Amino acid sequence: ETGVTQSPTHLIKTRGQQVTLRCSSQSGHNTVSWYQQALGQGPQFIFQYYREEENGRGNFPPRFSGLQFPNYSSELNVNALELDDSALYLCASSLAGVVNEQFFGPGTRLTVL
Amino acid sequence: AQSVTQLGSHVSVSEGALVLLRCNYSSSVPPYLFWYVQYPNQGLQLLLKYTSAATLVKGINGFEAEFKKSETSFHLTKPSAHMSDAAEYFCAVSVGNAGNMLTFGGGTRLMVKP
Repeated sequence: ETGVTQSPTHLIKTRGQQVTLRCSSQSGHNTVSWYQQALGQGPQFIFQYYREEENGRGNFPPRFSGLQFPNYSSELNVNALELDDSALYLCASSLAGVVNEQFFGPGTRLTVL
Repeated sequence: AQSVTQLGSHVSVSEGALVLLRCNYSSSVPPYLFWYVQYPNQGLQLLLKYTSAATLVKGINGFEAEFKKSETSFHLTKPSAHMSDAAEYFCAVSVGNAGNMLTFGGGTRLMVKP
């Protein structure tokens, strides 16, 4: 059984650029959630996808967008990057349901200069 | 809306000593509560979860937590710390009307002294 994988592991961008982060779900999982973890803080929920549709969104602006594909893999897109977007971006996959464990990937470290 | 507060951003214990990491939550509906651990340069790993069954929850690596509704707390304990327990620990809450979207606390870094 393959766990959650994310790519790339590290990324450096400049302010104003756009970035795409990728996540492959654990086998059999139909739900993907994305979190932003700033340095020294807890993860903050960005949004969740269930069966290719957005299923909830945290307090993030529209320049944060996502996709989920038929194989349940997912992308996080961020437009017009700002310095404060520098963070570890975590993807988590799970089965739908409030008590089901979310399995986290190792994250993508994004640095915006 | 729900929230989580972790008291103490850093906790230091000696090897073999009791570990106590504090978590208080706020929720207008019955919560589901989780503890996750994060080792350096890794994602989060679930230690244990409370899902309205037994109030004392046992997890992996000898950790356990007790749900106390009257105190709105879900503190994490381990009787005897190991050096390998040094990591960042996060408490999180999820509520029934919000899917399984997690709201995390700010984290507590546990340091274990030899």
